[in-house]
Amino acid sequence: GIQVEQSPPDLILQEGANSTLRCNFSDSVNNLQWFHQNPWGQLINLFYIPSGTKQNGRLSATTVATERYSLLYISSSQTTDSGVYFCAVEDGANSKLTFGKGITLSVRP
Amino acid sequence: DADVTQTPRNRITKTGKRIMLECSQTKGHDRMYWYRQDPGLGLRLIYYSFDVKDINKGEISDGYSVSRQAQAKFSLSLESAIPNQTALYFCATSDLEAGQETQYFGPGTRLLVL
Repeated sequence: GIQVEQSPPDLILQEGANSTLRCNFSDSVNNLQWFHQNPWGQLINLFYIPSGTKQNGRLSATTVATERYSLLYISSSQTTDSGVYFCAVEDGANSKLTFGKGITLSVRP
Repeated sequence: DADVTQTPRNRITKTGKRIMLECSQTKGHDRMYWYRQDPGLGLRLIYYSFDVKDINKGEISDGYSVSRQAQAKFSLSLESAIPNQTALYFCATSDLEAGQETQYFGPGTRLLVL
């Protein structure tokens, strides 16, 4: 099946800093989503982005489908950005998402 | 009110017991999923259902069963719980809107098998 690798596995930032989270995948995809899991465990969908670029406030994401990677940008980070960020992809062959292992982000005040 | 609810939110049980985790949604979505999350492993798919008459095994279905009682309800059962089924379990729903499929997650159920 399709492989999903996220990097770095852990990231510590000072409040106000910017960061880039990366997701590499091993095959063509027709669905790619970024999720944020807050410290209380709740999973929230951030972006549906199988290709192109989207922005939502301080967050933006870019997927370069031909090169099989996606990037999540966080600008002016806040302590509420802390948690785990997951990338999940669907390759179209099985109509279900495969998740990466996540990136743990800690934003310190 | 939450669109995707899970009950119970926390459960402690003993090895060999049968337990059921329930999921309900008010989003009107046809597709529903059960995942488990273990530390450092991300989310892994247990079962999924694309409509009431459709049930499919996911990556790690052994030891689990499901029931899709209605469009809004999807239950996960552990027939004989074992300690390595201790995990955080998530239910999710999705639907195709304007060619875009986005998954929405419930709050999760923390299960401890002693």
